[in-house]
Amino acid sequence: AQSVAQPEDQVNVAEGNPLTVKCTYSVSGNPYLFWYVQYPNRGLQFLLKYITGDNLVKGSYGFEAEFNKSQTSFHLKKPSALVSDSALYFCAVRDPGFQKLVFGTGTRLLVSP
Amino acid sequence: DGGITQSPKYLFRKEGQNVTLSCEQNLNHDAMYWYRQDPGQGLRLIYYSQIVNDFQKGDIAEGYSVSREKKESFPLTVTSAQKNPTAFYLCASVDSQETQYFGPGTRLLVL
Repeated sequence: AQSVAQPEDQVNVAEGNPLTVKCTYSVSGNPYLFWYVQYPNRGLQFLLKYITGDNLVKGSYGFEAEFNKSQTSFHLKKPSALVSDSALYFCAVRDPGFQKLVFGTGTRLLVSP
Repeated sequence: DGGITQSPKYLFRKEGQNVTLSCEQNLNHDAMYWYRQDPGQGLRLIYYSQIVNDFQKGDIAEGYSVSREKKESFPLTVTSAQKNPTAFYLCASVDSQETQYFGPGTRLLVL
């Protein structure tokens, strides 16, 4: 069965500092991995994905994530946080053998001025 | 949210009533999904459809029904059998590169 874990309910960071939002996964095959962001009372917006290729993936708004197969992780990172990055972030995984995308429980990012 | 619309934004259901949530997309995507979002639980899959006139149950299909008569439309009905329907409902469509695009959501409340 496929699963994904986001171990932190909330991450706090000061504006201008680097941020990391953690994600680990479990699948039987090679994973498809995604990060989405959600602002209050809105739908999810796609940030980036890893399907194949380079382990370092660059996405929207300066975010990036690194696929680490040995640690089964796909942490989201940004070199310099903005107050406007404050939102709810979801990691998701799909095993190519299944049609379903499995989401983590979300991590709330709070960037203070 | 571009390309996918959901209506209404807020919906109120009386006990014993069936209500239908609309989801329309103009992205020409074959696959569409319905999720339920509750605080602290992430998104849970209700139903999905890979192609017109075909759909499959997700993880929490009980008390819900769907139809897929047109490629652009994937309405979700919350039936009276769903005893705890209060939640934020999200519809998504999927492109050929596996990316899901989400609508703005419908918040369902029980009177």
